[in-house]
Amino acid sequence: KNQVEQSPQSLIILEGKNCTLQCNYTVSPFSNLRWYKQDTGRGPVSLTIMTFSENTKSNGRYTATLDADTKQSSLHITASQLSDSASYICVVSEASGTYKYIFGTGTRLKVLA
Amino acid sequence: EAGVTQFPSHSVIEKGQTVTLRCDPISGHDNLYWYRRVMGKEIKFLLHFVKESKQDESGMPNNRFLAERTGGTYSTLKVQPAELEDSGVYFCASSPRTSGRETQYFGPGTRLLVL
Repeated sequence: KNQVEQSPQSLIILEGKNCTLQCNYTVSPFSNLRWYKQDTGRGPVSLTIMTFSENTKSNGRYTATLDADTKQSSLHITASQLSDSASYICVVSEASGTYKYIFGTGTRLKVLA
Repeated sequence: EAGVTQFPSHSVIEKGQTVTLRCDPISGHDNLYWYRRVMGKEIKFLLHFVKESKQDESGMPNNRFLAERTGGTYSTLKVQPAELEDSGVYFCASSPRTSGRETQYFGPGTRLLVL
């Protein structure tokens, strides 16, 4: 069964600190893995995308890694800001005709001043 | 450029009533997707349009759900009759083409509560 699992479920950190979110997946055939950020009351917004051959991708203070052998990914946030408070969702795309998205349940991050 | 828009933002209806959700994709995007997130669960795929054709509707839960995309522009998702378990957030997304690297752009969602 295609699944995407994320940890932790929620996380509270102080402004300026770093944090790392984890994603494990069992999606086959694999096309790519994305991290989305979802602010409260908004739709998800894409942060990074990585294919099988890419093991790291950065977008500002966000750095995603991918280990396709162990089927694990992480999202590292550096020098967190209050605006980073959101849900972060790991999404794996199947390498099928429609490239269907398989979503994780997300990690809810709260950054405190 | 306007993003994906959804209407209404919230809907509260009673069990047995009908509700129609609307999605306007980004102009020029051939692909339109519907997703649903029920309380405490992950977002799940419902169906995928390419222009006006249903490419994949394997995620539609049952025949109480009907999606249309007449003319290949906006789409509607009708729930008739609504049940309690239909409550959740319904997201629409669009992308220009069907390929592995195409990013799907999401709307803000419609929050549906069935009482």
